[in-house]
Amino acid sequence: VQLVESGGGVVQPGRTLRLSCAASGFTFRSYGMHWVRQAPGKGLEWVALIWYDGSDTYYADSVKGRFTISRDNSKSTLYLQMNSLRVEDTAVYFCATAGTTGPYYLDYWGQGTLVAVSS
Amino acid sequence: DIQMTQSPSSLSASVRDRVIITCRASQNIGRSLHWYQQKPGKAPNLLIYAASTLQDGVPSRFSGSGSGTDFTLTISSLQPEDFATYYCQQGSSPPLTFGGGTKVEIK
Repeated sequence: VQLVESGGGVVQPGRTLRLSCAASGFTFRSYGMHWVRQAPGKGLEWVALIWYDGSDTYYADSVKGRFTISRDNSKSTLYLQMNSLRVEDTAVYFCATAGTTGPYYLDYWGQGTLVAVSS
Repeated sequence: DIQMTQSPSSLSASVRDRVIITCRASQNIGRSLHWYQQKPGKAPNLLIYAASTLQDGVPSRFSGSGSGTDFTLTISSLQPEDFATYYCQQGSSPPLTFGGGTKVEIK
């Protein structure tokens, strides 16, 4: 299993950014997928979940209405569209597979991509 | 939302010590509790899911127990590679939530 995040960088408050997570080594279309973030020196914060077929999505209250999780099963790629970015969105963003026995835990993780929101 | 409280937030221990980390949920989550290990600069790694099921490849010195609101992660004999930060996570229902973490340091 390999998950490789990309798309991070430095962005001004209020701007947008789209993260990608390229998956390989497993049947991507069969698994739910998560985004989790970690602010510098802080703990883990779950961000969003998308069902294996994209039919359902869930979000943390802190990003609801600003972030959108999506996936392209034909490309084995997960996305996180981040709009109206805030300084407090600064973090390393990890993508992760949902568990093999249920969607609400995180099995395999990528190495993360850093998003820095600063003026 | 379900709040997860871990204790202690940090601890110092020696190699071969027995270490116990606790996690409390703000409401009944059954056995939907999962544990992760994270080393500096690395992604978290799943250790235990569904309160007590060891993930493949995780050493048997790690064990988990509990149900309802109170859970524990036990390391029976701490090894040098176990010095890390440990997080619990509730998987009862979204939004998923993590505990604040427990940093295990070398005494």
